[in-house]
Amino acid sequence: AQTVTQSQPEMSVQEAETVTLSCTYDTSENNYYLFWYKQPPSRQMILVIRQEAYKQQNATENRFSVNFQKAAKSFSLKISDSQLGDTAMYFCAFMNPEPGGGADGLTFGKGTHLIIQP
Amino acid sequence: ETGVTQSPTHLIKTRGQQVTLRCSSQSGHNTVSWYQQALGQGPQFIFQYYREEENGRGNFPPRFSGLQFPNYSSELNVNALELDDSALYLCASSSPGTGRRRQYFGPGTRLTVL
Repeated sequence: AQTVTQSQPEMSVQEAETVTLSCTYDTSENNYYLFWYKQPPSRQMILVIRQEAYKQQNATENRFSVNFQKAAKSFSLKISDSQLGDTAMYFCAFMNPEPGGGADGLTFGKGTHLIIQP
Repeated sequence: ETGVTQSPTHLIKTRGQQVTLRCSSQSGHNTVSWYQQALGQGPQFIFQYYREEENGRGNFPPRFSGLQFPNYSSELNVNALELDDSALYLCASSSPGTGRRRQYFGPGTRLTVL
């Protein structure tokens, strides 16, 4: 079974700063998908960024980027120029796709509460 | 396109009762996954439905059951409710067209068991 660990329960930074959230995972699979989801107080889970394990290039989405280290099983999220609206719970998640294109459920970490201070 | 919707928003039940939660998938999506999120925790995968069949299941007992309908909407049923079933229940839809690896979540149903 896969496990996802987020070792930072809470982080706080000033607006406009850069912040990095950590995530490690454990799997014996070679092909898988990794995700960062954001959950604001409204509870809606929003996909921030996605990484396919077979791609060596780190994914980027505007101010969000990842540092994917496959050998170390590490998948950190960097938020540049942080904004007040980035305040939320951030969850790292793992998916192990079945052969033939099927999909399993997501395995989530416990989350990091990110607070952006004005 | 319409997003994922869930009903009801909040629900209060007593121990031993049964509950049904509903989810309408995003337009064009044929796969629905259900998750349980206890307070202060990450979501846990309950099961997934694809084309009206259960397609995968997490570590949840049989009293958690589901259905998917021809229009791809879905229900989560929980029998013999226990206090520990109090949680936020999230559903997520996806489609091979967009890649099942991308799941779109609904706003959740908050279940309280007294």
